[in-house]
Amino acid sequence: KAGVTQTPRYLIKTRGQQVTLSCSPISGHRSVSWYQQTPGQGLQFLFEYFSETQRNKGNFPGRFSGRQFSNSRSEMNVSTLELGDSALYLCASSLGAGHSYEQYFGPGTRLTVT
Amino acid sequence: AQKVTQAQTEISVVEKEDVTLDCVYETRDTTYYLFWYKQPPSGELVFLIRRNSFDEQNEISGRYSWNFQKSTSSFNFTITASQVVDSAVYFCALSEAGGYSTLTFGKGTMLLVSP
Repeated sequence: KAGVTQTPRYLIKTRGQQVTLSCSPISGHRSVSWYQQTPGQGLQFLFEYFSETQRNKGNFPGRFSGRQFSNSRSEMNVSTLELGDSALYLCASSLGAGHSYEQYFGPGTRLTVT
Repeated sequence: AQKVTQAQTEISVVEKEDVTLDCVYETRDTTYYLFWYKQPPSGELVFLIRRNSFDEQNEISGRYSWNFQKSTSSFNFTITASQVVDSAVYFCALSEAGGYSTLTFGKGTMLLVSP
């Protein structure tokens, strides 16, 4: 079974631009979560989607948004990029929603904002 | 609010030494899950173990073992006879009840195993 895939793997953007990151979950998984990892703040939860509905959202500004499609694939968008948005963005998928399900992580998208 | 503390920022050992990574957590829920993940230089988080709050049995998997103690809110991870391939950042995480999958991570412990 293929794992979680994230595209692109690396991205360089300029301040003020916007970016869209994509995540394809493991086949059959219906829940997708996004995390931001930075050296200073560590791993922080962004949002969780299940059956195309956002179920939970972390403490991030409105510039961060996401969505999930009917095939469970998910995208996250960051508008008006700031230097501080440079990070590794990790996507995780799980079979169902809820804390008892194991989450499997993708390799991440490394975003650099210049 | 939930919190996970990994007090050890970096640990260096020589191959074949045993090493214990500490994890202390805070939660008001009585139902929760604790996890350990490994992050090699490639960046992907690799799942190692999940333990629910009602199961305090220690677990051993090969060279890895975990000690869960609710009385001290700790979930420590021991690698026996460490190997160079164990070099990575290790994260402890907590997921509370409430219908969400949200993981709260500690800051991670970087383990460097030298030959």
